[in-house]
Amino acid sequence: DTAVSQTPKYLVTQMGNDKSIKCEQNLGHDTMYWYKQDSKKFLKIMFSYNNKELIINETVPNRFSPKSPDKAHLNLHINSLELGDSAVYFCASSHASGIAEQFFGPGTRLTVL
Amino acid sequence: KQEVTQIPAALSVPEGENLVLNCSFTDSAIYNLQWFRQDPGKGLTSLLLIQSSQREQTSGRLNASLDKSSGRSTLYIAASQPGDSATYLCAVKDGAGNMLTFGGGTRLMVKP
Repeated sequence: DTAVSQTPKYLVTQMGNDKSIKCEQNLGHDTMYWYKQDSKKFLKIMFSYNNKELIINETVPNRFSPKSPDKAHLNLHINSLELGDSAVYFCASSHASGIAEQFFGPGTRLTVL
Repeated sequence: KQEVTQIPAALSVPEGENLVLNCSFTDSAIYNLQWFRQDPGKGLTSLLLIQSSQREQTSGRLNASLDKSSGRSTLYIAASQPGDSATYLCAVKDGAGNMLTFGGGTRLMVKP
C-alpha cells in the first residue's frame, strides 16, 4: 500500500547518457513534484506539476524535463547527464490546495560516472 | 525569495533529554510549515504539518509551534530516545505551485 513510489531506487550511469526516473502515487493527488537533494543533503524543488500547469524552478537546466502520462504519474527525464547531476531525487505529491500536506517517495540515488 | 534556516546544524544529547530544534524563514506569507524526519539513506517522513492559522501541532512526544509573524517554528521532542536519531527538516510552503522550501536540517544524535 505504498503511497508514493519511485523506480529505480539506485541508478548508476555514464556521463552523456539519457535516463528516466519513474514516480507513481496512489493517493488520488492532483499535484506532483520533483526535488533534488545534493551531496550536502540540501533539498531543492525542481518542478511542480498538475494537469493545469508546470512550474519550473529557474535554476533547473533544460536537460531535465518532467513528463506526466496521467495524474498518478510524473516521470523525470534527464538528457546528456553530467557529473553534477549526481544526487538523490525525490518525488512528492499533494492535493492542489495550498494548505495540503506533501507526501514523499523513498528517493532515487543517481550516480553519474 | 524565501530562505529557511535551521539551527543547530547538529545536536548530540543523552537519552531522556527534552530538546528543541529551531527553524526560521524570511517571508512570513506562508500557507503552512511541515517538519520531516530523514533517516540516513532513506526518504522523508512527514512528522507534523502546521497551517498558517495555527499556533502548534502535537503528535506523541513531538510538539511543533509556529510564530508566523516572527518567521519562526520550533520542534520540541520530549524524553528523547536513541530511535529519534535522524535528520530533522523543516519546510515552508508559499507562492505559486505549492512548492516547499527546505531548511538545511538538524542532524540529531541521541546517545544511550
